[in-house]
Amino acid sequence: EDKVVQSPLSLVVHEGDTVTLNCSYEVTNFRSLLWYKQEKKAPTFLFMLTSSGIEKKSGRLSSILDKKELFSILNITATQTGDSAIYLCAVDLNTGNQFYFGTGTSLTVIP
Amino acid sequence: GAVVSQHPSWVICKSGTSVKIECRSLDFQATTMFWYRQFPKQSLMLMATSNEGSKATYEQGVEKDKFLINHASLTLSTLTVTSAHPEDSSFYICSASRWGTSGGTDTQYFGPGTRLTVL
Repeated sequence: EDKVVQSPLSLVVHEGDTVTLNCSYEVTNFRSLLWYKQEKKAPTFLFMLTSSGIEKKSGRLSSILDKKELFSILNITATQTGDSAIYLCAVDLNTGNQFYFGTGTSLTVIP
Repeated sequence: GAVVSQHPSWVICKSGTSVKIECRSLDFQATTMFWYRQFPKQSLMLMATSNEGSKATYEQGVEKDKFLINHASLTLSTLTVTSAHPEDSSFYICSASRWGTSGGTDTQYFGPGTRLTVL
């Protein structure tokens, strides 16, 4: 059975802290892994990772994929209250572009 | 670009009635649309994949007669929750993708979601 698991489930940090969110997967026919940020409504796209070891970066956010160990991490440096959200990872299984989402990590950044 | 809308954003209905939710891609043609449901403080659960002009593919455990999906055009997919019951109350989100010519992953663009409350 395909599984996508995120950890931790929730996290509370202070502004300025650095956080690392984890996403591990056990799936067949892996094609890519995606990270999304969900605030109040629709998830918004952050990164798509297909190759191991290549870091994707956008401002204070960065992400990397390890296809050998089957996980990805999302790093957020110098966190701000606006980073408070649920962070979702999803795996594309190369079977029709369906995404299977992980359990999500709820991040709360307090001033 | 890549804007997806949903209508309505919020609906309250009585038990036993049917509710239709629309998902539209506003500025691109979506060959494939997806429907998810999300319970409070939980992740998105894929319900079905909808391809224009063909029958939807439902995930295991999702009742196709309960959740009717129609993808009538390249910009519109509808989800009808038939004979809704309180346990169907949830947040329903659609997404749309433009099928890439490379055959690789095509990013999904999400609608704002529809909150369904069944009394």
